[in-house]
Amino acid sequence: AQSVTQLDSHVSVSEGTPVLLRCNYSSSYSPSLFWYVQHPNKGLQLLLKYTSAATLVKGINGFEAEFKKSETSFHLTKPSAHMSDAAEYFCVVSERAGGFKTIFGAGTRLFVKA
Amino acid sequence: GEEVAQTPKHLVRGEGQKAKLYCAPIKGHSYVFWYQQVLKNEFKFLISFQNENVFDETGMPKERFSAKCLPNSPCSLEIQATKLEDSAVYFCASSQGYNEQFFGPGTRLTVL
Repeated sequence: AQSVTQLDSHVSVSEGTPVLLRCNYSSSYSPSLFWYVQHPNKGLQLLLKYTSAATLVKGINGFEAEFKKSETSFHLTKPSAHMSDAAEYFCVVSERAGGFKTIFGAGTRLFVKA
Repeated sequence: GEEVAQTPKHLVRGEGQKAKLYCAPIKGHSYVFWYQQVLKNEFKFLISFQNENVFDETGMPKERFSAKCLPNSPCSLEIQATKLEDSAVYFCASSQGYNEQFFGPGTRLTVL
């Protein structure tokens, strides 16, 4: 069965400090994994994706994520937070299982303090 | 187009009225998806299409919800006899095969 768990509903960091948003997944097949960001009253923007190539994936705005199959994790990181990073972040898993299944995590709200 | 377009931006309906939402996917994308985002920010999958064919409708409350993607027309999501709990933002997304989905800006439906 396919599932996505974002381990923190809220994360608060100070500007200039590292960001870590955690995501664990379960999948019966080789999944594709994505991180999306949603700013208030906006749609979803793709930050980065993993589709069975390099396990360390670099995305936009300085974000990156590492696919760790042994830990079934796909945590999102950024070395230095910026005020504009404050938003909701969603970890998403897609797999070709009886079709094209996509499951969203519950989201993690990132707060950035000045 | 290069972006997923959704209309209208906002829709207000009285309980029991019909609501119809539209989505124009990115040109060349063969898959279209509809999601419902409720107040807790949770995304619920509703239905997907591969071209004009229903691909997966396991998330659709079929008694009141219906959707279509006809050739040369925007895709549509229709809710007959809306209920208060249908109030949400409805997002459409499109993709080219089994790749990342590109999302539209959403339609906010408010049922009074």
